[in-house]
Amino acid sequence: DADVTQTPRNRITKTGKRIMLECSQTKGHDRMYWYRQDPGLGLRLIYYSFDVKDINKGEISDGYSVSRQAQAKFSLSLESAIPNQTALYFCATSDLGSSGTSNTGELFFGEGSRLTVL
Amino acid sequence: AQSVTQLDSQVPVFEEAPVELRCNYSSSVSVYLFWYVQYPNQGLQLLLKYLSGSTLVKGINGFEAEFNKSQTSFHLRKPSVHISDTAEYFCAVSLQGAQKLVFGQGTRLTINP
Repeated sequence: DADVTQTPRNRITKTGKRIMLECSQTKGHDRMYWYRQDPGLGLRLIYYSFDVKDINKGEISDGYSVSRQAQAKFSLSLESAIPNQTALYFCATSDLGSSGTSNTGELFFGEGSRLTVL
Repeated sequence: AQSVTQLDSQVPVFEEAPVELRCNYSSSVSVYLFWYVQYPNQGLQLLLKYLSGSTLVKGINGFEAEFNKSQTSFHLRKPSVHISDTAEYFCAVSLQGAQKLVFGQGTRLTINP
């Protein structure tokens, strides 16, 4: 089983619909992230969370919201989907770093959720 | 703020030929550097990383990268590619002690027989 699991893997929806993408992890990591991937733009950070009570906006948070339901779960919502939110979305986790060492930023990714908004 | 530039969006090469994928970053402080690979219809997996120490870093599948601080580069190389190396490759940087990675635009490597 994958350490970072995303559902659904593929979704087609219509403009104006509410969509939720879910992410769960078994790595025991504190930090979780949502990125979107667009051709030619690489990965851009939407939101990130360092623990259940700490949620931060990334560079492209407009039109998105998140919920950290537990250490292992981090969901991304599109309240009213629009066509330019068509993309591949990735959830990722990161370790806080072992005692005495700083976090390096290394990410562990899920397999992605492909969202198409018509 | 740091940024990452991958100089080639697409790189076509013949099988068994050498390849170099270029990555430059901008940062005024020390960084950690990463290369990730994304095979078709899959997520990203770590290829290699530079944290400290030797500037030549070896990764999985025969890839290596060299950190050049003066040129702020972290180019990825493989002496002989295979069809199975066809994928998209992403360079990423984080500040030491940082909280998130910044990714380059990606380079699509296509291997021709």
